[in-house]
Amino acid sequence: EVQLVESGGGLVQPGGSLRLSCAASGFSVSSHYMSWVRQAPGKGLEWVSVIYSGSSTYYADSVKGRFTISRLNSKNTLYLQMNSLTSEDTAVYSCARGYLGTFDIWGQGTMVTVSS
Amino acid sequence: EIVLTQSPATLSLSPGERATLSCRASQSVSSYLAWFQQKPGQAPRLLIYDASNRATGIPARFSGSGSGTDFTLTISSLEPEDFAVYYCQQGSNSRFTFGPGTKVDIK
Repeated sequence: EVQLVESGGGLVQPGGSLRLSCAASGFSVSSHYMSWVRQAPGKGLEWVSVIYSGSSTYYADSVKGRFTISRLNSKNTLYLQMNSLTSEDTAVYSCARGYLGTFDIWGQGTMVTVSS
Repeated sequence: EIVLTQSPATLSLSPGERATLSCRASQSVSSYLAWFQQKPGQAPRLLIYDASNRATGIPARFSGSGSGTDFTLTISSLEPEDFAVYYCQQGSNSRFTFGPGTKVDIK
């Protein structure tokens, strides 16, 4: 079964760091572009970052310079390293598999709360 | 950044009625436009990709049209399970963006 399962969310203080993981099954993360998308409580979807098969990466302006996307092919896992977190980063973070300019498979997400 | 605008923000309809949702891009996205459905507590579900292609398992009552900057999602006859929030998303470059969403609720 094709599946994505996120982990690593939690409560972190402003200025802190967190690393999210997204474990894939049923396909190889290295064969697709993969993204992180977030959704603040009661708000819409916001694209965060993408990593392509060739390892090129891109970021939303709101996280550029603070977040880093990566993958470990041997573990078939996608990561998001988040530094210098602020309350504006509080959201459910989901990973998604790329497909023809969009995303066809999504995980259920992991909640990140930035608060003192 | 390509900005997507969706209208209306809320659409109040009854089961069996036709729903027409609009998405406009701030610049051309060619046909790289997708539509998602999201219900509370659930992950988004891909409905339409490349502006007009239904994703796997999506019922024929969902259809998409448009190209360039103006796109439409049509639900021909609303079923009870179709009441949800709908997002458009562009993938014409490597900085993807989503629209703010249209909520389809029961009248």
